[in-house]
Amino acid sequence: KAGVTQTPRYLIKTRGQQVTLSCSPISGHRSVSWYQQTPGQGLQFLFEYFSETQRNKGNFPGRFSGRQFSNSRSEMNVSTLELGDSALYLCASSFHPGTSEAFFGQGTRLTVV
Amino acid sequence: AQSVAQPEDQVNVAEGNPLTVKCTYSVSGNPYLFWYVQYPNRGLQFLLKYITGDNLVKGSYGFEAEFNKSQTSFHLKKPSALVSDSALYFCAVRPSGSSNTGKLIFGQGTTLQVKP
Repeated sequence: KAGVTQTPRYLIKTRGQQVTLSCSPISGHRSVSWYQQTPGQGLQFLFEYFSETQRNKGNFPGRFSGRQFSNSRSEMNVSTLELGDSALYLCASSFHPGTSEAFFGQGTRLTVV
Repeated sequence: AQSVAQPEDQVNVAEGNPLTVKCTYSVSGNPYLFWYVQYPNRGLQFLLKYITGDNLVKGSYGFEAEFNKSQTSFHLKKPSALVSDSALYFCAVRPSGSSNTGKLIFGQGTTLQVKP
């Protein structure tokens, strides 16, 4: 069974640009969550999607957005990039968003210069 | 505010000795509890979870964790540490209730260093 796949693995962007990250969940998993990991703030929840609907959103500005498609694949978008957006962005999928464990992808390392 | 605390930034143990990585939480209701491990430049790998039932849960790679409701703790343990256990460990809580499903609140992480 294939794991959670995130693309691309690495990105370098310039301040002010926008970026789209992609996540393909484990087959059969309909819940997808996104997290930002930085040395200073640790792992912070961005948002969660289930059956194409955003169910939860973390405390991030509106520049961060996401969506989920009918095949459960998800994308997150960050507009008007700032230096502080440099981070490892992790996607996780789970079979049931309540009691099931989340399986994480290897992440996308975003560097904003 | 809901939070997870891992009071130790780093835990050092000798190979073959038992290890404990501590976690306490402040979440209302009956949360679901998880431990994850992260190796350099990798995503998080699931180790174990507590949902309900027996307070001692067993997980991958010989790890186990003890849930203590009165102390709101969920400490990770292993009877005999291996050098390959050296990694960054995260405790996570998923608050119960339909409005919180899916969301995980993570501790700051504890680096485990196992020396030969």
